[in-house]
Amino acid sequence: AQSVAQPEDQVNVAEGNPLTVKCTYSVSGNPYLFWYVQYPNRGLQFLLKYITGDNLVKGSYGFEAEFNKSQTSFHLKKPSALVSDSALYFCAVSAYNQGGKLIFGQGTELSVKP
Amino acid sequence: SQTIHQWPATLVQPVGSPLSLECTVEGTSNPNLYWYRQAAGRGLQLLFYSVGIGQISSEVPQNLSASRPQDRQFILSSKKLLLSDSGFYLCGAGGVYEQYFGPGTRLTVT
Repeated sequence: AQSVAQPEDQVNVAEGNPLTVKCTYSVSGNPYLFWYVQYPNRGLQFLLKYITGDNLVKGSYGFEAEFNKSQTSFHLKKPSALVSDSALYFCAVSAYNQGGKLIFGQGTELSVKP
Repeated sequence: SQTIHQWPATLVQPVGSPLSLECTVEGTSNPNLYWYRQAAGRGLQLLFYSVGIGQISSEVPQNLSASRPQDRQFILSSKKLLLSDSGFYLCGAGGVYEQYFGPGTRLTVT
């Protein structure tokens, strides 16, 4: 069965410092991996995805993620955090034979302090 | 680019009342459509998905149903709401390689 784990409920970072939000996955076959961000009472905004190709994926708002097949991880990173990055972040996985159905992690609350 | 509309934005309904949430999509044709529920502000669970008009797959047994009367319209319904149906409902559209979401509907069952 497919699954996604986000081991940290909350990540606290000082503004200007690098941030990492962790994600590991389990899927049969090649994974399709996604990161979304959610602000309070809002829908999910797409940040980036890995389908195939380069392991380092660049996305919106300066975020990037690295696909590591051996560690089955897809950690989200940003070199310099902004207070406005504070939000709930979701990692999701799908597979080719799953019709686009996404399995989400439980989410990680990112708090960036000035 | 595609735009996903959901309404209403918020809804407060008594237990036992019916429900109809609507999702419409612009800017794409024949998308896969999805209904997710987010409970307690965290985890998202897939409820239904559709690969075409009239084609609905249910992921979990529940008090809800879904219909797709038109290519870009997806409706979530219930005949009698339960307290446990409260949550934030998100409509998704896309396919295997990408999926985008609407703004969501906050449902409170009292």
